[in-house]
Amino acid sequence: AQKITQTQPGMFVQEKEAVTLDCTYDTSDPSYGLFWYKQPSSGEMIFLIYQGSYDQQNATEGRYSLNFQKARKSANLVISASQLGDSAMYFCAMRLNQAGTALIFGKGTTLSVSS
Amino acid sequence: DTEVTQTPKHLVMGMTNKKSLKCEQHMGHRAMYWYKQKAKKPPELMFVYSYEKLSINESVPSRFSPECPNSSLLNLHLHALQPEDSALYLCASSQGPNTGELFFGEGSRLTVL
Repeated sequence: AQKITQTQPGMFVQEKEAVTLDCTYDTSDPSYGLFWYKQPSSGEMIFLIYQGSYDQQNATEGRYSLNFQKARKSANLVISASQLGDSAMYFCAMRLNQAGTALIFGKGTTLSVSS
Repeated sequence: DTEVTQTPKHLVMGMTNKKSLKCEQHMGHRAMYWYKQKAKKPPELMFVYSYEKLSINESVPSRFSPECPNSSLLNLHLHALQPEDSALYLCASSQGPNTGELFFGEGSRLTVL
């Protein structure tokens, strides 16, 4: 079984500031992948960043980085230098690397960036 | 631009209607997915097709019927739906069933009257 928890329903940040969105997960399987997606009000799910359970280094993609702490089972998303266009819903998701499983999502965090 | 195309973008149907949602990808992906998303909730997995075969059915009611005619196309046939089925239906694809990130379409927003 697998579970994803996002405890922040909403976060507020000013432009150019950094923000951390929390995500914890639970699984007894040693092989899994962690994903972050952004969903603007238009509805499309946009892939941001991926971390594999065996990856030694934290993933980074431009202004996005994933703070992966395996022992704590956390995979927080850090957005540096926030922009107005970052305002959206953010979902943490997890997939086990075994047949018969698929990507499951946390409840999401709504990020609001103000000028 | 998204590489997963969903049609129609909006659909309004009565409870006795039969309609279909369509999804297409040309990335050579061998896994395709249907998710259902209610407002301000996370997407919920409905079906997974792996190499054109149904591999996961998350106990979805039979009024939803998926079909994968070929490796690029995924349909969701709708019949005798209920108002509570109104939601955003998202299609996604990935390289394989446990490989790579999921690429999502823009979704089909369904309203059942």
